[in-house]
Amino acid sequence: DGGITQSPKYLFRKEGQNVTLSCEQNLNHDAMYWYRQDPGQGLRLIYYSQIVNDFQKGDIAEGYSVSREKKESFPLTVTSAQKNPTAFYLCASSTPRQGTGGELFFGEGSRLTVL
Amino acid sequence: ILNVEQSPQSLHVQEGDSTSFTCSFPSSNFYALHWYRWETAKSPEALFVMTLNGDEKKKGRISATLNTKEGYSYLYIKGSQPEDSATYLCAQETSGSRLTFGEGTQLTVNP
Repeated sequence: DGGITQSPKYLFRKEGQNVTLSCEQNLNHDAMYWYRQDPGQGLRLIYYSQIVNDFQKGDIAEGYSVSREKKESFPLTVTSAQKNPTAFYLCASSTPRQGTGGELFFGEGSRLTVL
Repeated sequence: ILNVEQSPQSLHVQEGDSTSFTCSFPSSNFYALHWYRWETAKSPEALFVMTLNGDEKKKGRISATLNTKEGYSYLYIKGSQPEDSATYLCAQETSGSRLTFGEGTQLTVNP
């Protein structure tokens, strides 16, 4: 079955540690995205990539880094510079269709808690 | 940063009621308007992607309309069922396939 796999589902981190969230898709989609959700807020865009070896900052990129070395993979690193990293993180992918970027397909999310 | 707003924030209806939500968005740099349904413990799923002013789309009991000139979209659910309970998200797509989401409308359908 095609889809998006995020891991781990739950992650605990001590302050000052970097952590990497994995996102893999087998949908052959060109674009991939990382969103963050906090209670009472909408999904906020962290980074996105429209093509391999290229990515752009979203609205809240500070304290995060990404790479896009393979079409199917878009890992997100939450660095120690991120001041408030505890949140729910969603990865998504899409492929252009009918003049738009196409609908997003989402993973199941990763919940990061900083202790 | 775009400002996409949804109302109401939450809604409780009885089974069989029809209901609607609103999504308002800035008209500038508009490419498409997306609607997603997000059920608890699941991933968000796309309902509609609309691009043209006056677009109307329908999927079963759910339909949506789009007015790009005034910057709003309505989502309608006819004859709500308990399985319709979810958070409904709208998002404006701008250039570069970039989506900005609203905060969502949380719908609860009581049996």
